[in-house]
Amino acid sequence: DAGVTQSPTHLIKTRGQHVTLRCSPISGHKSVSWYQQVLGQGPQFIFQYYEKEERGRGNFPDRFSARQFPNYSSELNVNALLLGDSALYLCASSLESAADTQYFGPGTRLTVL
Amino acid sequence: GENVEQHPSTLSVQEGDSAVIKCTYSDSASNYFPWYKQELGKRPQLIIDIRSNVGEKKDQRIAVTLNKTAKHFSLHITETQPEDSAVYFCAANAGGTSYGKLTFGQGTILTVHP
Repeated sequence: DAGVTQSPTHLIKTRGQHVTLRCSPISGHKSVSWYQQVLGQGPQFIFQYYEKEERGRGNFPDRFSARQFPNYSSELNVNALLLGDSALYLCASSLESAADTQYFGPGTRLTVL
Repeated sequence: GENVEQHPSTLSVQEGDSAVIKCTYSDSASNYFPWYKQELGKRPQLIIDIRSNVGEKKDQRIAVTLNKTAKHFSLHITETQPEDSAVYFCAANAGGTSYGKLTFGQGTILTVHP
């Protein structure tokens, strides 16, 4: 039973660089959401994609962007990294609608130095 | 937008006791309320969820209640065990057309002492 997968597991970058994080949803799931979890806080919504279209965007700057591919996998891109971008980036997969259960991947731990 | 408040921030109980965590939400259009358990360094794992057409749901030692009028929902864990120790997050979905957006509470650190 393949759950949500994310890569890489850990990443260290310096300020000003850009980063690309990847997510593969559960087979059959068409929706992917991205969340940022800063240490000691709950996850914060960044984006939701369904059928390759952006369906929702959280309160994050334009340095954050994402896309979804025909196989429903997704990428999150962050440009001009800041120290405050250091966090656990979580991908969540769901079947379709807003009320569908979301299953989280293991996350990518991003450290910005 | 949606705001979710969670209390308490920390909860310490003895093994076998019950634990209750409470959350309030602000968006009356929210209709889906999941609870996640997150162990240190691990992903959030869904433990139970409730939809707005149901007032209570139970799964073995875990139950969730929802009061739509008061806009609050609670997690109840009975007969707690040391392996229940973790951070618990409540969440609510956004109403309207904000598909897939879950707003999370700040989390409750539950410690179960043997």
